[in-house]
Amino acid sequence: DTAVSQTPKYLVTQMGNDKSIKCEQNLGHDTMYWYKQDSKKFLKIMFSYNNKELIINETVPNRFSPKSPDKAHLNLHINSLELGDSAVYFCASNNRAGGEKLFFGSGTQLSVL
Amino acid sequence: DAKTTQPPSMDCAEGRAANLPCNHSTISGNEYVYWYRQIHSQGPQYIIHGLKNNETNEMASLIITEDRKSSTLILPHATLRDTAVYYCIVLNQGGKLIFGQGTELSVKP
Repeated sequence: DTAVSQTPKYLVTQMGNDKSIKCEQNLGHDTMYWYKQDSKKFLKIMFSYNNKELIINETVPNRFSPKSPDKAHLNLHINSLELGDSAVYFCASNNRAGGEKLFFGSGTQLSVL
Repeated sequence: DAKTTQPPSMDCAEGRAANLPCNHSTISGNEYVYWYRQIHSQGPQYIIHGLKNNETNEMASLIITEDRKSSTLILPHATLRDTAVYYCIVLNQGGKLIFGQGTELSVKP
């Protein structure tokens, strides 16, 4: 039973395409996140949703649109993919009242050609 | 949130204790110290956190100095599987978890 699962694990696509990454957590958490890890291995927070409501939106191009249909899911849709979007994207979750103990998924490696 | 400083890399012999230091001299009274690690090709993993007191769990111990300006993560008996990048993060409750460069720990046989 994977606690935080992301699909797909690998995504290779052409510039200009639109793609989605899905994330699901079965931990009963109320908050979910997307992080981006670039080629230099820096992990940066992108978005956070609490009970389906956006609470953190870092300086991310509006080509990136998170969608949370329910508390257990946070999907990331990316329009008009660019070379610089190539990175590993991690989903995470926690209970907001429980501090910053986040559970991370295993990542989606996105390669834009 | 306060900034942290960690050595970029450290080596440790298998079976020995790994002591990973972190400086956070600008920490404020209500900021916690969190430790995560990232094993190659995996997502980050929570290890431990603390406010003032030393903490211990099944993975590690966290020693926070009395003035709270620095801390040390201790892996008591390092194994090859502990090879990872270790991140020390200081933040308020409800703050954003922001990862720095961390310490790349190599556990050698």
